[in-house]
Amino acid sequence: ETGVTQTPRHLVMGMTNKKSLKCEQHLGHNAMYWYKQSAKKPLELMFVYSLEERVENNSVPSRFSPECPNSSHLFLHLHTLQPEDSALYLCASSQPTGPGANVLTFGAGSRLTVL
Amino acid sequence: TQLLEQSPQFLSIQEGENLTVYCNSSSVFSSLQWYRQEPGEGPVLLVTVVTGGEVKKLKRLTFQFGDARKDSSLHITAAQPGDTGLYLCAGARSNTGKLIFGQGTTLQVKP
Repeated sequence: ETGVTQTPRHLVMGMTNKKSLKCEQHLGHNAMYWYKQSAKKPLELMFVYSLEERVENNSVPSRFSPECPNSSHLFLHLHTLQPEDSALYLCASSQPTGPGANVLTFGAGSRLTVL
Repeated sequence: TQLLEQSPQFLSIQEGENLTVYCNSSSVFSSLQWYRQEPGEGPVLLVTVVTGGEVKKLKRLTFQFGDARKDSSLHITAAQPGDTGLYLCAGARSNTGKLIFGQGTTLQVKP
């Protein structure tokens, strides 16, 4: 148990479906992140929320829509995805500023397969 | 684009052997981290190095930050099957949590 919980752990969806990934942390952190992990590629930072405000959107297609209703919860809403979006989606949290901002605690990830 | 190149990408060794994983960049980082990720889990932080030339030890693991803060190495002594996993280096240029990750080194230690 790392303190960051992601659900579901596995998701299979068609290209026309709408689904959401959920992330929850109870570490008292105020920054949350979505990363995409594909085979043999570096982790790709998708979105950063600091104090519930989106501070980074790394040119992510609009078919991915993040939501951060409070500092403990982060969602990634998915719609009309492509097969190449199949990957492990990792949520992480940290302190918002200072040296602690670079100490990320990751969840176990949501393995997404798009058919 | 800042890149962190890790080498080797894959390593399969026998229990008891020593190994070194390298993480190189042309960019300077304010700090560099090493994570280990096991199958079905997220990355777990092993160490953070912040000072050029710094050496940190974690049991059989030795981490070094290059003098110019552009590269780092991870040395494992007498590897154990429990060391098997994906090792990731990640560099930071500021205290914003925006890390640049290497592509990872998959280590397999056979009994």
